[in-house]
Amino acid sequence: QVQLQQWGAGLLKPSETLSLTCAVYGGSFSFYSWSWIRRPPGKGLEWIGEFNRGGSTKYNPSLKSRVTISVHTSKNQFSLKLSSVTAADTAVYYCARGTYYDSIRMDVWGQGTTVTVSS
Amino acid sequence: QSVLTQPPSVSAAPGQKVTISCSGSSSNIENNYVSWYQQLPGTAPKLLIYDNSQRPSGIPDRFSGSKSGTSATLGITGLQTGDEADYFCGTWDNSLSAGVFGGGTKLTVL
Repeated sequence: QVQLQQWGAGLLKPSETLSLTCAVYGGSFSFYSWSWIRRPPGKGLEWIGEFNRGGSTKYNPSLKSRVTISVHTSKNQFSLKLSSVTAADTAVYYCARGTYYDSIRMDVWGQGTTVTVSS
Repeated sequence: QSVLTQPPSVSAAPGQKVTISCSGSSSNIENNYVSWYQQLPGTAPKLLIYDNSQRPSGIPDRFSGSKSGTSATLGITGLQTGDEADYFCGTWDNSLSAGVFGGGTKLTVL
């Protein structure tokens, strides 16, 4: 059974870079898309971006200038970097697996990482 | 403001039925598959419906999904107190070239 395990720093100061990693256990890294989603307190889900099966990355236009999603195939891991964070980036961040034909069909999720941005 | 529009909240009594709407446009819902997620407090979202109306293994048939034009609907029958959660619709938006979610609907089982 596939599991996603994620980790990264939970407390950041404004202007720092958020860095999270998600490891894939028990399944193939190929043939799927790999995404990051967040949920700010009191708000809904926000799609951050993905690395799709075609080998390209797609990002939320509102975050595009600050986001980088990287894949480390040999380690079955993928990562998220979000630069110049502000309090508005405070949220629970999730990694998730999507299918090859519909990346929004996300059937496996990480446990979530709470990230707080505060001076 | 979310690209997809959902009612902020719905409520119904145990055993009753409820529907949650998700309204979009031709750049998203009309031309792409819709998925629905259930998020219980303190947990990661869980896939309830994919490909507009399909249920993953293990999801009871009390949950159903449909799509017509630029809108999608999640239906839940035989409501249980354990169904109290936030529900989100999601799909791809061709104009944004990005994934989009609804703002979420909080279900209360009275």
